Amino acid sequence: AQKVTQAQTEISVVEKEDVTLDCVYETRDTTYYLFWYKQPPSGELVFLIRRNSFDEQNEISGRYSWNFQKSTSSFNFTITASQVVDSAVYFCALSENAGGTSYGKLTFGQGTILTVHP
Amino acid sequence: GAVVSQHPSWVICKSGTSVKIECRSLDFQATTMFWYRQFPKQSLMLMATSNEGSKATYEQGVEKDKFLINHASLTLSTLTVTSAHPEDSSFYICSARGSARSKYGYTFGSGTRLTVV
Repeated sequence: AQKVTQAQTEISVVEKEDVTLDCVYETRDTTYYLFWYKQPPSGELVFLIRRNSFDEQNEISGRYSWNFQKSTSSFNFTITASQVVDSAVYFCALSENAGGTSYGKLTFGQGTILTVHP
Repeated sequence: GAVVSQHPSWVICKSGTSVKIECRSLDFQATTMFWYRQFPKQSLMLMATSNEGSKATYEQGVEKDKFLINHASLTLSTLTVTSAHPEDSSFYICSARGSARSKYGYTFGSGTRLTVV
């Protein structure tokens, strides 16, 4: 069975600080996908990134960056120069390949509540 | 991009009544729809997987007779909470699965906040 662990339940930072959200996953599959989502108070899930298991390249998108390391089964997310608008719940998720051309069930981590203070 | 429209956004119902939640894929065909439930300050838990034209597959511990899922067409999947009780109060969210070429993988509805009084 697949599992995603986000050990940090809550993180509180002051604006402009950098913050890293940890994510560790478990799966027996060799082909899988990792995701990060942001959930603001409205509840809607906002897609941030998708990474497949064969692509270990780190990625940067503006103030966001992701560090994928298969050796440690981790997919950490860093926000540089945090802003108040970054306050939300962040979820890491894992999907196994369902075979062929589709994604399998998505398993979410427990989520990390990020609060950025002015 | 792909959009899943979920309605209603919020609903308050009396204990013992049934509530139907709809998810429509607006510009694509959703062969598979996942239904999740999220209690306050908790993660999203998969309730069931529905494939168009087939019976839904429920996760362990989810009551099939209580949470009726219908996926009769490629653009509409519904979740009906039957004989709702206060403990069913939760945030329900649907998600359509994309193809492997999809950058996003899944398209989520905006969620339905159900309060049973």
